[in-house]
Amino acid sequence: EPEVTQTPSHQVTQMGQEVILRCVPISNHLYFYWYRQILGQKVEFLVSFYNNEISEKSEIFDDQFSVERPDGSNFTLKIRSTKLEDSAMYFCASSVQGMLADTQYFGPGTRLTVL
Amino acid sequence: GNSVTQMEGPVTLSEEAFLTINCTYTATGYPSLFWYVQYPGEGLQLLLKATKADDKGSNKGFEATYRKETTSFHLEKGSVQVSDSAVYFCALSATGGASGSRLTFGEGTQLTVNP
Repeated sequence: EPEVTQTPSHQVTQMGQEVILRCVPISNHLYFYWYRQILGQKVEFLVSFYNNEISEKSEIFDDQFSVERPDGSNFTLKIRSTKLEDSAMYFCASSVQGMLADTQYFGPGTRLTVL
Repeated sequence: GNSVTQMEGPVTLSEEAFLTINCTYTATGYPSLFWYVQYPGEGLQLLLKATKADDKGSNKGFEATYRKETTSFHLEKGSVQVSDSAVYFCALSATGGASGSRLTFGEGTQLTVNP
């Protein structure tokens, strides 16, 4: 069964450094998402992406964040200058369409630790 | 704004016990409702969903009914197994279409089933 993959599984970085989290969505899916979960808190929406553009972003997704689909398979989240509070589990998801009832398929997550 | 509230956890049950995890929501319009499950070391997997009032989603012995009058989507299983031990997330999507559909999650409920 097709699945969403994410690399790395765990990333440790120093405050102020740039990180890139990578995701490979399911191949026939058109909509891509990033969520994050700070330890002990809810899973929060960051951004949705369709047709090579950001379609929606949350208030969390400020200028330090960017997303890109550099080729036909990868979908990346870049944090330009990491802060301690960026430490979280980051989940990538994809769906065939963007309708209300569509299932989003999640990857296993990347745990980001900012020191 | 949209929000989802789950019962406080963790929940510990003995095998074959009855399970209920409460979920209530606040949303504008007519959201779709989801239960996701996260097994240790894995990503979030869709367990079941319901897209309109009075719909019942079911999968692997789990059920949940979309109750618009009480704005609830409680998860139930008649007889839990040790393999059901996981974190369960209630979620809703209330926007969709060309911009994609962001999920709003509850806090998650850790379920442990003892033999």
